[in-house]
Formats: sequence, structure tokens, C-alpha cells
Amino acid sequence: DVKVTQSSRYLVKRTGEKVFLECVQDMDHENMFWYRQDPGLGLRLIYFSYDVKMKEKGDIPEGYSVSREKKERFSLILESASTNQTSMYLCASSGTVYEQYFGPGTRLTVT
Amino acid sequence: AQKVTQAQTEISVVEKEDVTLDCVYETRDTTYYLFWYKQPPSGELVFLIRRNSFDEQNEISGRYSWNFQKSTSSFNFTITASQVVDSAVYFCALFEAAGNKLTFGGGTRVLVKP
Repeated sequence: DVKVTQSSRYLVKRTGEKVFLECVQDMDHENMFWYRQDPGLGLRLIYFSYDVKMKEKGDIPEGYSVSREKKERFSLILESASTNQTSMYLCASSGTVYEQYFGPGTRLTVT
Repeated sequence: AQKVTQAQTEISVVEKEDVTLDCVYETRDTTYYLFWYKQPPSGELVFLIRRNSFDEQNEISGRYSWNFQKSTSSFNFTITASQVVDSAVYFCALFEAAGNKLTFGGGTRVLVKP
């Protein structure tokens, strides 16, 4: 079974803090994704990576950056957290781009 | 315009009732894939089905069935004889080969009451 894990289920941070969300997959997948989920908007793609050290912007990259130093790990970075980044963040990985496996999500609250 | 529209934001039913979730999509690609995912309260998205654009056969899996109609750009999902464990948020998604990414609808929350 594919396993995608995320470092925290719940996180509370203050405005202006630098925030790291970590995602690890154990299936040697090339592709990894970060989404944010907001009510009524579904999942929106922030960034994705199709190889180590490679990254591509998704639909809403503003205010975020990513890092992929190892194949199994994909980090999402909020350089200076703001209240409008309060959301559920979901990581996914895939061998083919469309067959994605999701982690349990991190619910981030920025106060 | 939204590429994937789930017009129903929330549906509430009593156990054993049938429930149909609507999904309408928009694409210019001739090759694409459609998906349904379930997100239970635990948060993790669970893959339910994938359909490619060349296969319009309807599918049934236990109490779940899917109706894919290219003529109306719809991919609807029916839960027959709903159970409390079906309570979740359900997402429809579209993968277009040209865009190389998944686009999700806004989700439909299903609440099944005992």
C-alpha cells in the first residue's frame, strides 16, 4: 500500500512566522503535489514536483515555496504566514501524474 | 469558468435512501480522465473511481454506481441504500492530458442520518 505521511495533523502558527509542512511518501514516486482545501473551492494546486530539485507552480503559488531535496520528501514553506493561509493542506504523490495518493492533511491555523 | 462543477454543496438523507451527486466538467481535450474521491471525517482522500474519456460505460461497484455522459459533460455518482458510513465530502476531478494536472470540483458534503 502506498503511504503518504504529513508531519502534523494540526498546526497553529502566528502571523509572520515561517512555516514548514513536510510530506513523505514511501513508493518511490517521481511526482509530488501540494494542495490547499477550502470549503466550496475544492482542492487547489499550489506547487508540484516531478523530480528531485524540480518544481512547477500550480494555480495558487503566491505566498508559498517548496523544496524537494530527496525523492521521498516534498516540503511546503510559508515564508511569512498570514491569516488567509489558514486552511487544510494536502500532499499527494503519484507514479503517473493522474493517479494520485493523498496524505491525511494538515489543518493549519494562522492567528 | 469552473472546469469542474459540483452544484450541490450539501445533501442530507436518511439511511437507506439513494443519493445522486452531480458533476459537470468542461474541457477541450479529447483525452481526459474523470475521478471521484471520498473524504471521510479523518481527512484523507480515498480514490473511488477513474474513467477515461473513451470509455462511456456506466460502472457499478457494490452500492456505488457512476453514469458518464460525454454528450452532457457529466459524470454523476449514485450511492444506493445509503449508510451512515457514507457520510463524507465527495470530490469530482478532471485530469486533462494537455494541462497535466488534476482539477477538482468544490465538493459535495453528504450527511446520512440514521
